[in-house]
Amino acid sequence: NAGVTQTPKFQVLKTGQSMTLQCAQDMNHEYMSWYRQDPGMGLRLIHYSVGAGITDQGEVPNGYNVSRSTTEDFPLRLLSAAPSQTSVYFCASSHRQGRETQYFGPGTRLLVL
Amino acid sequence: GNSVTQMEGPVTLSEEAFLTINCTYTATGYPSLFWYVQYPGEGLQLLLKATKADDKGSNKGFEATYRKETTSFHLEKGSVQVSDSAVYFCALFSGGYNKLIFGAGTRLAVHP
Repeated sequence: NAGVTQTPKFQVLKTGQSMTLQCAQDMNHEYMSWYRQDPGMGLRLIHYSVGAGITDQGEVPNGYNVSRSTTEDFPLRLLSAAPSQTSVYFCASSHRQGRETQYFGPGTRLLVL
Repeated sequence: GNSVTQMEGPVTLSEEAFLTINCTYTATGYPSLFWYVQYPGEGLQLLLKATKADDKGSNKGFEATYRKETTSFHLEKGSVQVSDSAVYFCALFSGGYNKLIFGAGTRLAVHP
């Protein structure tokens, strides 16, 4: 049971480039979420999904897209990277019953130059 | 709206000292409350939780009690170890958006 996995661990982008952060879970969790962590601000929700084919925006969705074609995967796409998107990104998942208990991946550190 | 406020760090303690990290919240209804820990270079791990008023969550010697009257969920440990050095996040669960609302985090440094 690998839990929640994220790739890559670290990425450097130039302004304007696009990329996809991968997230996968093997716990058959219905709920998945993406957060970003910035110094002094805790974690903020970007997008979330309550099941395959269903996604919704969190509190800081601008500049990011998501899709959920399978229960296991929930990729986060940066369409045109900006320096303000330099952050650490965490993916989390939870079961529908007990959804408040979320399991986090190890994070992806992104630097946009 | 819902929010979480926790004491600013860093908190620096000697090994075996008593730890308190304060956390207060603002929320409608009765949210579930959590403490997460982030060790250096790692993701967040659930440390403990409480789902209703007067519940006490505990794990690895850490405790926190859900106090509705003071809207608080302070984290305590009687005797810290060097291995407890990490960033601690208080959070509440907002069911309407399936999201955890986090405090800013408190860095704890324990020295021998």
